[in-house]
Formats: sequence, structure tokens, C-alpha cells
Amino acid sequence: EPEVTQTPSHQVTQMGQEVILRCVPISNHLYFYWYRQILGQKVEFLVSFYNNEISEKSEIFDDQFSVERPDGSNFTLKIRSTKLEDSAMYFCASSEGAGSGQPQHFGDGTRLSIL
Amino acid sequence: DAKTTQPNSMESNEEEPVHLPCNHSTISGTDYIHWYRQLPSQGPEYVIHGLTSNVNNRMASLAIAEDRKSSTLILHRATLRDAAVYYCIRRPPSGTYKYIFGTGTRLKVLA
Repeated sequence: EPEVTQTPSHQVTQMGQEVILRCVPISNHLYFYWYRQILGQKVEFLVSFYNNEISEKSEIFDDQFSVERPDGSNFTLKIRSTKLEDSAMYFCASSEGAGSGQPQHFGDGTRLSIL
Repeated sequence: DAKTTQPNSMESNEEEPVHLPCNHSTISGTDYIHWYRQLPSQGPEYVIHGLTSNVNNRMASLAIAEDRKSSTLILHRATLRDAAVYYCIRRPPSGTYKYIFGTGTRLKVLA
């Protein structure tokens, strides 16, 4: 069964450094998403992306965050200058369509640890 | 605001059926109900979704009340691998792409 893959599984970065989290969505999917989950807390939506544009973003997704689909297969989340509070699991997801009957499929996440 | 209510935790014996309830009393007529589960150290995993009719797939069944104010996820024979946090999520038909996750139900399966 096709799946969303994320790399790396664990990223350790010094505060203030830039970090790029990578995702390969399911190949025929057109909509892409990032969520995060701080340890012990709920899964939170960050951003959705379609047709090379951000279609929706949360208040968490401020100017320090950006997303890109640099080629036909990868989808990336960049954090420009990391803060301690950016430490979390980051999940990428993709879906075939955006309708409410279209489920999103998630990867197993990247654990980001900011020192 | 997830706008769904689920018990914090439930327990089940292995190989017995499990009924996980979800209350969504303010649901609108066009909101789908999606169920996900999250195993330890993994991402949310899609389980099933439905609108009005009961739905079955290889993982589970979804029973939606006639008034749509509640639904129940049914695992027909729980295994130890089914121990996870189960999330019931409303998806409005348009205007948003995001899932709003609540705290879900932590299912413990006893051997």
C-alpha cells in the first residue's frame, strides 16, 4: 500500500539554526499538509498546499516557516531560525482531493529536537 | 475546537469486540466523520470515514446514529496491535483543509 515517507526520522538542531524537514507524499496525491505534535499534546494543523500555493495556514505557521515542493515528488517544511518551542513531532500528510470525503494519509513523522 | 467528545480511555480484552463512541451533537448535515488512530511513536493512521450510512472496511466498521449526533467505531476483534489513541474528527464540506484533532480515546487491550 502506498505511503507517505518522511526524512529524517529524528533531527537535532541548535537553536537559531535553519532546519528542513522532508516528505515524499503518495504519488497521485495533489494536496499536501504539515501538522505538528508537541510531546503530550494534540496534533495541530500547520499548513496545506495545493498547486504550488499555500491554501490554508494556522496561526502557528508564522514567517519563520515556509513550505516548498521543489520537484515532482518532495514536499518540504523549512523553519528559518529554530526556537526551543519548535521541538515537536512534525507530520506530513497528503490527500488525493480536498473534499471532506477525502481522507488525509500521514507519515510517521520527524522528531525535531532543538537544543 | 474539535467539536467532538470522546471518552479519555477505554479497555478491552484481546479478541473481543470494541465499541468506541463519539459524540458530535452539533454536526451539520454535510460534515463527514473521520476516524484515525495513532499508535505509539507513529503518525495518525486513517481508519474509516462516513457521512450517513454505516461503513465497513478491512480495519473497522463505523456506525452512525440516525440523527448523526453520534457515531461508534467498531473493532470486531481487538488485538494487542490495536492499542492506540483513536480520534473522531468532523470534516466540514468546504472552506477548510485541516483536521482538528482532539485528545481522542486511549484504547488499552488486555491480553
